[in-house]
Amino acid sequence: GIQVEQSPPDLILQEGANSTLRCNFSDSVNNLQWFHQNPWGQLINLFYIPSGTKQNGRLSATTVATERYSLLYISSSQTTDSGVYFCAVELGRNAGGTSYGKLTFGQGTILTVHP
Amino acid sequence: NAGVMQNPRHLVRRRGQEARLRCSPMKGHSHVYWYRQLPEEGLKFMVYLQKENIIDESGMPKERFSAEFPKEGPSILRIQQVVRGDSAAYFCASSPRYQGDQPQHFGDGTRLSIL
Repeated sequence: GIQVEQSPPDLILQEGANSTLRCNFSDSVNNLQWFHQNPWGQLINLFYIPSGTKQNGRLSATTVATERYSLLYISSSQTTDSGVYFCAVELGRNAGGTSYGKLTFGQGTILTVHP
Repeated sequence: NAGVMQNPRHLVRRRGQEARLRCSPMKGHSHVYWYRQLPEEGLKFMVYLQKENIIDESGMPKERFSAEFPKEGPSILRIQQVVRGDSAAYFCASSPRYQGDQPQHFGDGTRLSIL
């Protein structure tokens, strides 16, 4: 199956710092989503970004599908940004049609922002 | 608009009992996905259903687990004769159709604890 690797596994920041989280995947994908799991365990949908660049406030994301990676940028980090950030992908149909529909998650990046 | 609704939020069962987890998809969504998150891990796909059909159950354990999405009512994930290893967070997601061009929207999860 498709492999999804996220880096770094852990990240500790001071409030106000910027950061970049990376997601590498091993095959062509139909869908890529970034999520934030907050300390209460809720999964917040950040971006649906199979390709290109999107921005939402202090967060932005870029996916380069041909090179099989995606980046999540967090600027001017706040303590409320703490939690686990997951990248999840859906295998492209050309790469294996029986896998459509299901998301494969990376292991996540644990972000801690200190005041 | 209501999001994906899961209930209960927390469920405690003793070993050998049955657990029933419910998921009501977003309005207009006919595709439902179940994922399991073991402690300190990422989410793992279990099953993908459309109304009255199981599309892909490749991630579901062969024994004790079953899922349904009837014509009327919520999707149900049923775990019979629960064991300690079933303790996890179970997330449901929905999409309006085959989600190759749509994001999956997640509920807040059900935290299952086995005594």
